[in-house]
Amino acid sequence: GESVGLHLPTLSVQEGDNSIINCAYSNSASDYFIWYKQESGKGPQFIIDIRSNMDKRQGQRVTVLLNKTVKHLSLQIAATQPGDSAVYFCAENRSAGRRALTFGSGTRLQVQP
Amino acid sequence: GAVVSQHPSWVICKSGTSVKIECRSLDFQATTMFWYRQFPKQSLMLMATSNEGSKATYEQGVEKDKFLINHASLTLSTLTVTSAHPEDSSFYICSARDRDRPEKLFFGSGTQLSVL
Repeated sequence: GESVGLHLPTLSVQEGDNSIINCAYSNSASDYFIWYKQESGKGPQFIIDIRSNMDKRQGQRVTVLLNKTVKHLSLQIAATQPGDSAVYFCAENRSAGRRALTFGSGTRLQVQP
Repeated sequence: GAVVSQHPSWVICKSGTSVKIECRSLDFQATTMFWYRQFPKQSLMLMATSNEGSKATYEQGVEKDKFLINHASLTLSTLTVTSAHPEDSSFYICSARDRDRPEKLFFGSGTQLSVL
């Protein structure tokens, strides 16, 4: 049900610094993980994904790390820019993506100029 | 990239009225569409899964008679909030799975519903 008064954890960084956003997932059967960026009033925007047979994947300025042992996922953003300010969600899936995604609770990234 | 068009982007309605939200896949065929609801400062919560040509599957706690879902074609799914009440005010987001790339889910831009 709805949680009243829930606040998203916030990560504040200076422009140009690197950001690390963490996510813990619960389903050990999940084999596909995605990071999304959501700006206010918009739908989620795909950033990067990783399969469970990998532990690291790099994109443009972003890197996703997967630690299956502790069921932990992280998103690293290099040289963070003001445009990176948003809420970031991790999402998990299994069975080759046949099901709906399960979203984590989200982290708000605030980039200070 | 694949585009999912969601309309309207925002709607204000009176309590007791019904509101229809459309979700279209513009350049791919979507065998499955998912409807999510998001309250302020919270994550996306799955409401239902709709497969083209069949009845939607609703998550526990989601009233199927209140949230009517129709997925009559491979490119269109609709969510109708019937007899809306203020507690139904939320951000509704659809996502569509590309038939040819089933791992990829593409999201609409969301609909902010405000019920007075």
